[in-house]
Amino acid sequence: DAGITQSPRHKVTETGTPVTLRCHQTENHRYMYWYRQDPGHGLRLIHYSYGVKDTDKGEVSDGYSVSRSKTEDFLLTLESATSSQTSVYFCAISEGDREVGYTFGSGTRLTVV
Amino acid sequence: TQLLEQSPQFLSIQEGENLTVYCNSSSVFSSLQWYRQEPGEGPVLLVTVVTGGEVKKLKRLTFQFGDARKDSSLHITAAQPGDTGLYLCAGERAGKSTFGDGTTLTVKP
Repeated sequence: DAGITQSPRHKVTETGTPVTLRCHQTENHRYMYWYRQDPGHGLRLIHYSYGVKDTDKGEVSDGYSVSRSKTEDFLLTLESATSSQTSVYFCAISEGDREVGYTFGSGTRLTVV
Repeated sequence: TQLLEQSPQFLSIQEGENLTVYCNSSSVFSSLQWYRQEPGEGPVLLVTVVTGGEVKKLKRLTFQFGDARKDSSLHITAAQPGDTGLYLCAGERAGKSTFGDGTTLTVKP
């Protein structure tokens, strides 16, 4: 589904470096989310956005920041990457409230060495 | 604290068999979604249930939301290798989503 794309798909970075992941949507949905998926923890919400420049923290937001300057783009930044942030990161969009479910991107596999 | 417990964690069956996976909680949800995720891809929404006791069918898949809106089940009839994947449930409560850890289903030809 080309409605939501994530970049890069894979990245290896060193501890202490900043990293930015990009999510781009062509659906003009208001809501965008960043999740991380780890074995034994399922999908956990990092940050979400309910409009341009409107963002809020999820349950695992420490060490992450986000920005949304345009409806179509939602950026996730790891300020100073740590090994505990090695994970698969998914962006998701929703056209309304979350009861209608999410459309997920294909994910970014990030390894911090 | 895991709000949503999925069982079994792993399930391996032969093509043509029936199966049921479960999503349980002690909390009440306003709605619940089921997703299927294949390796290297994001989860794909299968269904949303919102009414207690609701049953929805999607071809060979039958989804049920418990009467008390605390649990849900997914039943697959005559499983096929194409059904292989990770099945996730997600519950909505007080404006927040919670995902279970998933059931990994393998259907052998």
